[in-house]
Amino acid sequence: GQQVMQIPQYQHVQEGEDFTTYCNSSTTLSNIQWYKQRPGGHPVFLIQLVKSGEVKKQKRLTFQFGEAKKNSSLHITATQTTDVGTYFCAGPWSNDYKLSFGAGTTVTVRA
Amino acid sequence: GAGVSQSPSNKVTEKGKDVELRCDPISGHTALYWYRQSLGQGLEFLIYFQGNSAPDKSGLPSDRFSAERTGGSVSTLTIQRTQQEDSAVYLCASTFALSTDTQYFGPGTRLTVL
Repeated sequence: GQQVMQIPQYQHVQEGEDFTTYCNSSTTLSNIQWYKQRPGGHPVFLIQLVKSGEVKKQKRLTFQFGEAKKNSSLHITATQTTDVGTYFCAGPWSNDYKLSFGAGTTVTVRA
Repeated sequence: GAGVSQSPSNKVTEKGKDVELRCDPISGHTALYWYRQSLGQGLEFLIYFQGNSAPDKSGLPSDRFSAERTGGSVSTLTIQRTQQEDSAVYLCASTFALSTDTQYFGPGTRLTVL
């Protein structure tokens, strides 16, 4: 069946370092959305990408949508303790009308 | 209100009891989702409402689970004869128009079945 997969499941980062987390879909997505869930909180929308190859930046976060619209990445530079949480990608498949979420990448930061 | 609200925030119940969880979406939002999130896990889709259309119930794990949305606004998720494996955080999200728009999540209801 159709799936959205995220890797890695866990990311342990030294404060100040960079890292990338990836989102891969088995089929084409009409758009990709990223959400962040802080420990004990609920998912909060970060960004949406729509166009093939689109790149968007939010301060230290860079989001990219693949050319084939089947994968996406989130790159965080100079990781801070405020980046701790679980990052989910989500997208509607071209033949569907509801969002499907990946399992998330849980980020912990070593000070 | 300014955001999605859910009640209760915490619910502890005994195995076999029925529970009702409530979601108040953002005013004017036409689409509403229910998700279940077990400890340390991702979001499990349960059910989705879009306007006056028939709900998509494809994610409901068993016939003990049901949901309704009255007047296109407030939604109630009902779990009958609760089991310990039903323990999780139940999240509600609403979107402005299209089901694929940005989702605004409520704070969730933490359900514990003893």
